Amino acid sequence: AQSVTQLGSHVSVSEGALVLLRCNYSSSVPPYLFWYVQYPNQGLQLLLKYTSAATLVKGINGFEAEFKKSETSFHLTKPSAHMSDAAEYFCAVSETSYDKVIFGPGTSLSVIP
Amino acid sequence: DAGVTQSPTHLIKTRGQQVTLRCSPKSGHDTVSWYQQALGQGPQFIFQYYEEEERQRGNFPDRFSGHQFPNYSSELNVNALLLGDSALYLCASSLIFSGNRAYYNEQFFGPGTRLTVL
Repeated sequence: AQSVTQLGSHVSVSEGALVLLRCNYSSSVPPYLFWYVQYPNQGLQLLLKYTSAATLVKGINGFEAEFKKSETSFHLTKPSAHMSDAAEYFCAVSETSYDKVIFGPGTSLSVIP
Repeated sequence: DAGVTQSPTHLIKTRGQQVTLRCSPKSGHDTVSWYQQALGQGPQFIFQYYEEEERQRGNFPDRFSGHQFPNYSSELNVNALLLGDSALYLCASSLIFSGNRAYYNEQFFGPGTRLTVL
């Protein structure tokens, strides 16, 4: 069964510092992987998706993620944190292009001025 | 182009009551999925509708049911409400494949309906 784990329920970084949010998945087939962001009292917005085309995926707002099959990881990074990046981030996996999407528990990112 | 819309925004019910939540998908989308997001947790998949039929279902009891209409809009019904049903209910729409382009299960989410059960 597919599943997602996110190491660190809360991450704090200083403004301008590197953002690294960790995601590991389990899947019986090559997965589709996603990162979503959720701002307070809002729905989820797609940051980026991995669909096997390239292992390094660039998304919106300067975020990117690298798919590492050997480590079953899909960590999210951003070179320089901005105050507006403070939000909840969810990693998600789907085994096919039409299968249910399974979400991780989320990581809350705080950005310290 | 309107995105995914959900109604109502907030809802307060008492235990044992029934509730209906509504969702209109993004224009052009034909698949609707429903998720339950408890406070401080990730969204949990409830079920997915395509061509007016429930195509997949998560680990939720039969108290949770749904419907999709010919215009692709959808309803989520929950019967015999429990305190534990209090959560944010998210609707997501998607388009799996159209013409020569695959959309890789990219889900577009609505703002959610906050359900409180007292």
